[in-house]
Amino acid sequence: AQKVTQAQTEISVVEKEDVTLDCVYETRDTTYYLFWYKQPPSGELVFLIRRNSFDEQNEISGRYSWNFQKSTSSFNFTITASQVVDSAVYFCAPRMNRDDKIIFGKGTRLHILP
Amino acid sequence: AAGVIQSPRHLIKEKRETATLKCYPIPRHDTVYWYQQGPGQDPQFLISFYEKMQSDKGSIPDRFSAQQFSDYHSELNMSSLELGDSALYFCASSLLNTRGAAGELFFGEGSRLTVL
Repeated sequence: AQKVTQAQTEISVVEKEDVTLDCVYETRDTTYYLFWYKQPPSGELVFLIRRNSFDEQNEISGRYSWNFQKSTSSFNFTITASQVVDSAVYFCAPRMNRDDKIIFGKGTRLHILP
Repeated sequence: AAGVIQSPRHLIKEKRETATLKCYPIPRHDTVYWYQQGPGQDPQFLISFYEKMQSDKGSIPDRFSAQQFSDYHSELNMSSLELGDSALYFCASSLLNTRGAAGELFFGEGSRLTVL
């Protein structure tokens, strides 16, 4: 079974700092999909980014960027110039090719301090 | 753009009562998922449906059942409610381009169930 580890339980940074959230996953599948979701205090789950295992190109989207390293099974997510509104719980969530569901990590609670 | 609609948003029940949650997926999405999130916990997968057939089952109690109807909406039925069933219940939908190809899940705002 797949497993995902978010070692950082809680992080606090001052506004405008960059912050990286770590995610390590385990899988025996060769094709899989990785997601990051954000859950703000209001409770909804918001899709942020998706990465396919067969595409290792790292990208930047606005203030978000991600670093996918298949060799180390890591899928880290970076917020540049953090803002108070970024305060939320962030979940790393892998999805294996033959499974429909996604499995959530335990989440990292991010506090952006003004 | 249309999103996943869940109802009711809040529900309060007594122990041993029954509750039904409804989910209306994004139009043309073919897969519906149910997740349960306890306080301070990560969302836990309960069950999913692909084209109205159950496609996967997770840690769903036997007291719970779900189905997807011909119009693709889904209902989660919970009976003999226990205090531990108090949680946020999410429904999500996605579109599988081909069987097994993974699109992102879009989540509804959740239904908060409180069991007293």
